[in-house]
Amino acid sequence: DVKVTQSSRYLVKRTGEKVFLECVQDMDHENMFWYRQDPGLGLRLIYFSYDVKMKEKGDIPEGYSVSREKKERFSLILESASTNQTSMYLCASRTGPQETQYFGPGTRLLVL
Amino acid sequence: LAKTTQPISMDSYEGQEVNITCSHNNIATNDYITWYQQFPSQGPRFIIQGYKTKVTNEVASLFIPADRKSSTLSLPRVSLSDTAVYYCLVGLMISGYNKLIFGAGTRLAVHP
Repeated sequence: DVKVTQSSRYLVKRTGEKVFLECVQDMDHENMFWYRQDPGLGLRLIYFSYDVKMKEKGDIPEGYSVSREKKERFSLILESASTNQTSMYLCASRTGPQETQYFGPGTRLLVL
Repeated sequence: LAKTTQPISMDSYEGQEVNITCSHNNIATNDYITWYQQFPSQGPRFIIQGYKTKVTNEVASLFIPADRKSSTLSLPRVSLSDTAVYYCLVGLMISGYNKLIFGAGTRLAVHP
């Protein structure tokens, strides 16, 4: 079974803090994704990575950055957290284009 | 604005067949259509994927007309445990670029 894990299920941070969300997959997948999910808006793509050290902006990259130093790990960074970044963050991975994305359990982030 | 469109919510009863349609007018030529199921506080879980005509697996069927501008997820005999949010995921051509877009989700409630 594909396993995608996220470092935290719940996280509470203060405005202005630097926040790291970690995602690890164990199936040697090439592609990895970060989404945020908000009520009524569905899933929106923040960033994705086709391979190690490669990254591409998604639909809503503002306020976020990413890092992919190793194939199995994709990190989402909030340089200076703001209250409008309170959301559910979901990581996904897949072997390549046209293949199924597998999702982690999500991290619910609250920024106070 | 190119996007996918799904009904916001649906209600059904145990044992009935449920059909959920997703409209995607600007689907990219080579992209598949994928459906996911999501329970509260969990990441989306893959249900079924198809390119055209009909695909069936052990849990659902997917009907895709020849023009591929829509797709219908069919759950044959729903049970209470099928109560969840269902998302379609397609690649859309937006401003000349192929972008993966999730629908906003359909909240299915199955009643006894």
